[in-house]
Amino acid sequence: EDKVVQSPLSLVVHEGDTVTLNCSYEVTNFRSLLWYKQEKKAPTFLFMLTSSGIEKKSGRLSSILDKKELFSILNITATQTGDSAIYLCAVNSGGSNYKLTFGKGTLLTVNP
Amino acid sequence: SQTIHQWPATLVQPVGSPLSLECTVEGTSNPNLYWYRQAAGRGLQLLFYSVGIGQISSEVPQNLSASRPQDRQFILSSKKLLLSDSGFYLCAWSPTLVGYGYTFGSGTRLTVV
Repeated sequence: EDKVVQSPLSLVVHEGDTVTLNCSYEVTNFRSLLWYKQEKKAPTFLFMLTSSGIEKKSGRLSSILDKKELFSILNITATQTGDSAIYLCAVNSGGSNYKLTFGKGTLLTVNP
Repeated sequence: SQTIHQWPATLVQPVGSPLSLECTVEGTSNPNLYWYRQAAGRGLQLLFYSVGIGQISSEVPQNLSASRPQDRQFILSSKKLLLSDSGFYLCAWSPTLVGYGYTFGSGTRLTVV
């Protein structure tokens, strides 16, 4: 059974701090790993990673994948209160159905 | 551009009542469609997926069913709701051939009382 584990489950920081969120996985026929940000409603897409060692960056957020060690990290620098959200990691496994297996998420709270 | 619509946004239903949640996608053909549930533990659990009209795969045994009567329409149903059916339900679609990533609908918060 495919498995995605995120850590920590929750995190409280102050504005300006840098945070690192972790995601490890065990899946068959790996295709890609995705990060989503979920505030009050639907998750919104952040990054998709398919190759090891290539950093994806968007503003203060960045992410990298290690396919040998089966994990990914999501970094947020100079955090702001608007970064408060649940961050979800998901892995796309192969086959014709293109399923995503999600972790439980990391609840990030950024205090002013 | 593609858009996904999901309704209603919130729903409060008594135990034993029926359920129908609808999801439609615009701007694409033959999408893969998915229903997820997010309970208090925050992880997203895949309930059903569909790769074509009338083709439904169920991931977990439960009190719910899904149907795809048209190419871009996906419906989640129940004949008799249980308290444990409460949660946040998300519809999603992904391209058939690319298979990378999903776009989610805005979700339905269901409370069974």
